[in-house]
Amino acid sequence: TQLLEQSPQFLSIQEGENLTVYCNSSSVFSSLQWYRQEPGEGPVLLVTVVTGGEVKKLKRLTFQFGDARKDSSLHITAAQPGDTGLYLCAGSPFQAGTALIFGKGTTLSVSS
Amino acid sequence: GAGVSQTPSNKVTEKGKYVELRCDPISGHTALYWYRQSLGQGPEFLIYFQGTGAADDSGLPNDRFFAVRPEGSVSTLKIQRTERGDSAVYLCASSLGYGTVAFFGQGTRLTVV
Repeated sequence: TQLLEQSPQFLSIQEGENLTVYCNSSSVFSSLQWYRQEPGEGPVLLVTVVTGGEVKKLKRLTFQFGDARKDSSLHITAAQPGDTGLYLCAGSPFQAGTALIFGKGTTLSVSS
Repeated sequence: GAGVSQTPSNKVTEKGKYVELRCDPISGHTALYWYRQSLGQGPEFLIYFQGTGAADDSGLPNDRFFAVRPEGSVSTLKIQRTERGDSAVYLCASSLGYGTVAFFGQGTRLTVV
C-alpha cells in the first residue's frame, strides 16, 4: 500500500512568519498535487508537480517535487490569516486505474 | 456543468436507514472518485470509476457500501443499514482521465444519529 506522510499535522503561527509543510513517501509517484481546503468546502487544487526536482511558485507559495519523485514540500513566505486552512498533498501512482492517494493533511492557522 | 456538484449538501439519517449520495461530475470527465473525510483529516479513498465501471473499489469499507455510475456520468454512492461510524463528509471528484488533475465537489456531510 502506498502511503503519503504529511508533517506537521498542525501548525499555528503568527502573521508574517514563514513555514514549510512536508509530504513524504517510500513510493514513487507520477505526479503530486497540493490542495487547500476550507471548512465546508471540497479541496481546491493549488498546483501539480510532475518532474523530479521541479519547483513551482504561486505568489508566496513555493512547491518542490523531490528528485526521486517520492516527496514534496510546500513553503509559504510571510504567512497571512487568509492562508489558514487544511493543506493536502495527493500522489498519483504510476499504476493505471489507481486513484489519488492523499496525505492526512496539515491544518494551518495564521493569526494576526 | 461548470464544476462537480454533490447533492444533498447535508444529510441526517437514523441509524439503520438507507441513504444515497449523488455526484454530478464535470461534463466530459471520464474518471470519477469517491472519498470519505473525517474532520481535520485527509480524504480516504473509497472507489474510483473509469467510465461506467469501477476500476478500483478497494477502499469501500464493507458490503454496506456500494456505488454505481450506469451511464458514465452521474454516480450514486449507496449506504445500507447506516451506522454512527459512517458519519463523515463524502467527497466526489472527477478528472479527464487517469493521472490528470482531479476537481472536487463541495461534499455531502452525512450524520447518522
